[in-house]
Amino acid sequence: GAGVSQSPSNKVTEKGKDVELRCDPISGHTALYWYRQRLGQGLEFLIYFQGNSAPDKSGLPSDRFSAERTGESVSTLTIQRTQQEDSAVYLCASSALGGADTQYFGPGTRLTVL
Amino acid sequence: AQSVTQLDSHVSVSEGTPVLLRCNYSSSYSPSLFWYVQHPNKGLQLLLKYTSAATLVKGINGFEAEFKKSETSFHLTKPSAHMSDAAEYFCVVRDNTGGFKTIFGAGTRLFVKA
Repeated sequence: GAGVSQSPSNKVTEKGKDVELRCDPISGHTALYWYRQRLGQGLEFLIYFQGNSAPDKSGLPSDRFSAERTGESVSTLTIQRTQQEDSAVYLCASSALGGADTQYFGPGTRLTVL
Repeated sequence: AQSVTQLDSHVSVSEGTPVLLRCNYSSSYSPSLFWYVQHPNKGLQLLLKYTSAATLVKGINGFEAEFKKSETSFHLTKPSAHMSDAAEYFCVVRDNTGGFKTIFGAGTRLFVKA
């Protein structure tokens, strides 16, 4: 079906506000990843969901960051009390299986914290 | 612990000449290795992946990469550059021991001159 979609495509917020980013993976994909890409840098792993297993949250940079996934569908990444250093593109990817399976990336959400 | 180093932040070649983008990795276990490409204002796209089968991996658009365990390298090559190859390229490592973290290199920006 369709590829990975993310919303919003752009988000501008004020420092201290909470934001919620959404990812719709490819239908049937059991694995879902969130990454952050700061300007001019590579991707930083944030969190990984695989089926009903406990997520791997080892990449979340602080307790202001959290993510949820409903079954094998939509995921939301929430950033509380945003800071200017949170400004980045947040990318979501899904894969049919975990492990070395190919990840398909969404277009990203560009977050700007003023 | 895993890590990946892309040895060049920028590479500039002339159209029609060979491309070499260098990548070294470290991994405690047998890794899977990937190259992704990111064109301006477009999503990440998988070029190729190594998953312990053939050490020479062929990808899309004429790119290939060779896994050299003794050198811990996974360099990306293409015999003849095309203008459309101008993009950011990311080398990626993931171990296969049940961990979920995927580590991206910092990226190499490829410029192609006419």
